[in-house]
Amino acid sequence: GAVVSQHPSWVICKSGTSVKIECRSLDFQATTMFWYRQFPKQSLMLMATSNEGSKATYEQGVEKDKFLINHASLTLSTLTVTSAHPEDSSFYICSAFPPGGLYNEQFFGPGTRLTVL
Amino acid sequence: SQQGEEDPQALSIQEGENATMNCSYKTSINNLQWYRQNSGRGLVHLILIRSNEREKHSGRLRVTLDTSKKSSSLLITASRAADTASYFCATGGQGAQKLVFGQGTRLTINP
Repeated sequence: GAVVSQHPSWVICKSGTSVKIECRSLDFQATTMFWYRQFPKQSLMLMATSNEGSKATYEQGVEKDKFLINHASLTLSTLTVTSAHPEDSSFYICSAFPPGGLYNEQFFGPGTRLTVL
Repeated sequence: SQQGEEDPQALSIQEGENATMNCSYKTSINNLQWYRQNSGRGLVHLILIRSNEREKHSGRLRVTLDTSKKSSSLLITASRAADTASYFCATGGQGAQKLVFGQGTRLTINP
């Protein structure tokens, strides 16, 4: 199956700093990627849909200036958490939807655990 | 917002027993998918069932879909300790790519 990677797998940062998380599709091109966040023992909440070459589509309640998404190529989307605060600590997961895929089966990255001190 | 509701929220059984998890959703769907997540890891796709299908099998997994009741079930037969994980259902709508996840069931298989 298709492989999606994320980097870094975990990151600890100080409050007020910005953190960039990368999501890469390794063996396919993805015009669309998705970013989720997951709090402990909870489900995945979709944050935004990342579209190659255009602006991301954010879900209601997600601050676009706080969570910057850039999908600069068909294999890379980045999520930047700007001026991170402790409440941003979470598990961030990306997924990619291969073009031509049927019935929106998605492939997920291994996740990035962000801890803001 | 979360569309799917899963029950039970947590399930603990003995190795070798069967585990059944249920998922309900609210709106019409194109397909329903089940994913597994080991603690602190990403999601692994298990099985996809289309809205015009009623039952699907994959190894020890059996998924049913009842669109009239807007519900699905995942059965894992002859459970193993390695099946310990959280299981999520996710629904995809017509022409929409994004998935809406249920709350998940935390399954523990006791040796």
